[in-house]
Amino acid sequence: QKEVEQDPGPLSVPEGAIVSLNCTYSNSAFQYFMWYRQYSRKGPELLMYTYSSGNKEDGRFTAQVDKSSKYISLFIRDSQPSDSATYLCAMSAFGGGSEKLVFGKGMKLTVNP
Amino acid sequence: DSGVTQTPKHLITATGQRVTLRCSPRSGDLSVYWYQQSLDQGLQFLIQYYNGEERAKGNILERFSAQQFPDLHSELNLSSLELGDSALYFCASSVSGAETQYFGPGTRLLVL
Repeated sequence: QKEVEQDPGPLSVPEGAIVSLNCTYSNSAFQYFMWYRQYSRKGPELLMYTYSSGNKEDGRFTAQVDKSSKYISLFIRDSQPSDSATYLCAMSAFGGGSEKLVFGKGMKLTVNP
Repeated sequence: DSGVTQTPKHLITATGQRVTLRCSPRSGDLSVYWYQQSLDQGLQFLIQYYNGEERAKGNILERFSAQQFPDLHSELNLSSLELGDSALYFCASSVSGAETQYFGPGTRLLVL
């Protein structure tokens, strides 16, 4: 079983839709949960990070972490064509001298005008 | 622009060759991380340096090595290249913690 599972999609939605992206994980030691956005031929761009469980909101983006279910989500409200990209979840245990990120495979999202 | 720079942007080489990828972290960041991104494996952690010292290793092949210099820039050396090494190689940097890693634009390596 992979440490982090993410449906690779692709996902296509109309402009203005609410988008829900999800990842599950198996490593109970993960404490930091990140969402990155990657445009084609670009480096991943950090969108949001959350420590432990709970919700975090930033503009149209909301990140949720449910550690009891080992499940994280990213919601995008009022989606725009400019949101079209690949979204990667990433996690870290952050301890024992290692701060490596473990990534999901990424979900390709297309928002159609 | 994340503030992390990587050179070269593209690299085409032949099997058996050796290449060096370079990364300059954001100003003030002491940690540098190297990741490999391929279609089948996704983004995979290779190695981390903190202030010149190796801090953590991932699934980095023995043919690959890295170092971080006193000015904090880092180089990833890939030798005896194989077709399967063709991938995007990203460098990321952070002040210290995992939660704020910022990625560079990547180096696209094609081994023919």
